[in-house]
Amino acid sequence: DTGVSQDPRHKITKRGQNVTFRCDPISEHNRLYWYRQTLGQGPEFLTYFQNEAQLEKSRLLSDRFSAERPKGSFSTLEIQRTEQGDSAMYLCASRFTGELFFGEGSRLTVL
Amino acid sequence: DQQVKQNSPSLSVQEGRISILNCDYTNSMFDYFLWYKKYPAEGPTFLISISSIKDKNEDGRFTVFLNKSAKHLSLHIVPSQPGDSAVYFCAASDPDSNYQLIWGAGTKLIIKP
Repeated sequence: DTGVSQDPRHKITKRGQNVTFRCDPISEHNRLYWYRQTLGQGPEFLTYFQNEAQLEKSRLLSDRFSAERPKGSFSTLEIQRTEQGDSAMYLCASRFTGELFFGEGSRLTVL
Repeated sequence: DQQVKQNSPSLSVQEGRISILNCDYTNSMFDYFLWYKKYPAEGPTFLISISSIKDKNEDGRFTVFLNKSAKHLSLHIVPSQPGDSAVYFCAASDPDSNYQLIWGAGTKLIIKP
């Protein structure tokens, strides 16, 4: 399978816990994006990497959120001290040029 | 303020007829437009795109039309099939923001048998 893969697909956690999501992009894609999607909305941009460099972060990304792409391949998105408002689908996408290819998403439920 | 708008939250179309989904944008600098399809509990899937230098792009049953003067694009699906029932998102590429995609809120398409 050469698509974008995300892990885990579903995560249920208690408020205040930390969670980490992983994204493995398509191997030749140098650009990687994280989005968050809630019901009835389009994806909201969170952050963007070109290779290992994090070039842009949304204002939505509070200091509880951190993302890394240490070797320019896979990426992780960590949320510390989760809040109920963090419940959403977290989408990873990659591209070289042109269209984005999305993973299946990681659904987070904060109780 | 929304830069990409899909004003119809939902659309119901008879199987076999044409489905037309609309999208409006405000930023004339957007250089590339894309349509994505999303089923419940899945990530969006790329459908079709169009560069700002073109006014039409066709791929099988799917055609996207771009009217730059009106800042409007539309997706036509002919003929509509039950498997086309999904949420359709319009997105625009913003060269001033590292080619970030700016998304509409989506239109839920329901194809009636």
